[in-house]
Amino acid sequence: DVKVTQSSRYLVKRTGEKVFLECVQDMDHENMFWYRQDPGLGLRLIYFSYDVKMKEKGDIPEGYSVSREKKERFSLILESASTNQTSMYLCASSLTLAGLSYEQYFGPGTRLTVT
Amino acid sequence: RKEVEQDPGPFNVPEGATVAFNCTYSNSASQSFFWYRQDCRKEPKLLMSVYSSGNEDGRFTAQLNRASQYISLLIRDSKLSDSATYLCVVTNTGNQFYFGTGTSLTVIP
Repeated sequence: DVKVTQSSRYLVKRTGEKVFLECVQDMDHENMFWYRQDPGLGLRLIYFSYDVKMKEKGDIPEGYSVSREKKERFSLILESASTNQTSMYLCASSLTLAGLSYEQYFGPGTRLTVT
Repeated sequence: RKEVEQDPGPFNVPEGATVAFNCTYSNSASQSFFWYRQDCRKEPKLLMSVYSSGNEDGRFTAQLNRASQYISLLIRDSKLSDSATYLCVVTNTGNQFYFGTGTSLTVIP
């Protein structure tokens, strides 16, 4: 079974703090994704990566950065947390074969509260 | 225009009922199609992939209509445990996944 793990289930941070969210997958997937999910807005893509050291901006990258130094690990960084970044953060990974995308597997999510 | 659109519902149906959800997508070059299920405060989990010829998994049937650019999910003999949000997902050639905002289903005893 594919397993995607996230470093924390719940996190409370103060405004202005630097926040690191870690994601690890164990299935050698080349694609990894960070989303945030808010009520009424659905899943919104922050960043994704299709290879080590590669990254692409998603729909809402402002205020975030990412790092992918190893294939299995994709980190999301909030450089200076703000209250509007309070949200559920979901990491996912997927495989691409012959140009076709296979399903995404999600981690359990990190519920971040910024006070 | 949104890449993927779903009726948010909510759908409230009695146990044993049949319920259908539709989802439309805007990019005719979309390649892969999925239905995910998300329980309250949990992560989305794959329910089933959707193939061109349609596919069935027990009480669940998924269909794809490329000409009209929609996919559907049919749930027969609804169970209380089917209560969840169902997300329609579409991918393009750039490895990006596009999620609908989800359709809420509550199965009532």
